[in-house]
Amino acid sequence: DVKVTQSSRYLVKRTGEKVFLECVQDMDHENMFWYRQDPGLGLRLIYFSYDVKMKEKGDIPEGYSVSREKKERFSLILESASTNQTSMYLCASRTGTPTYEQYFGPGTRLTVT
Amino acid sequence: AQRVTQPEKLLSVFKGAPVELKCNYSYSGSPELFWYVQYSRQRLQLLLRHISRESIKGFTADLNKGETSFHLKKPFAQEEDSAMYYCALSGSSGSARQLTFGSGTQLTVLP
Repeated sequence: DVKVTQSSRYLVKRTGEKVFLECVQDMDHENMFWYRQDPGLGLRLIYFSYDVKMKEKGDIPEGYSVSREKKERFSLILESASTNQTSMYLCASRTGTPTYEQYFGPGTRLTVT
Repeated sequence: AQRVTQPEKLLSVFKGAPVELKCNYSYSGSPELFWYVQYSRQRLQLLLRHISRESIKGFTADLNKGETSFHLKKPFAQEEDSAMYYCALSGSSGSARQLTFGSGTQLTVLP
């Protein structure tokens, strides 16, 4: 059974802080993704990674960066958090075949005050 | 560009009534379509995909390329079907192979 874990369920940070969101998967998946989930907007892709040390921008990369030093771990970084980054952040992983399902983590509810 | 539209943000039906959640897409190639579901306090999970042509929990969805639609249907809704449903599309090449999600429909099945 695939397991995708995220480091925090809830996080509160102040404006301007550097924020790290961690995601770990245990199924040796090549692909990993970071989304943000907002009411009325659905899921929007921030960044994704096809393999270790590889990253691609998604639809809304501004204000975010990512790191993938190991295959099982994909980190999302907010260099200087802003209030408009208050959201639910979802991590997902998948095999290399796009028709296969993405497995999601439980999400991190980030509040920036 | 690929786009997914779910026109209903909220949908309420009574238990035992038929339910249809609408999904329309825009993509110039051959898409792969999916429905994902998120029950209260649970993680997002795959419900079904069009290439499997399967019925999951009584739900079915048919890809209609002429109408560019992939509506989700169930003949008799149950209270446990109450959840947020997302339609998603994967294109056929390059960055289009990433999933594009619709804005979601919150389904409530009333007793």
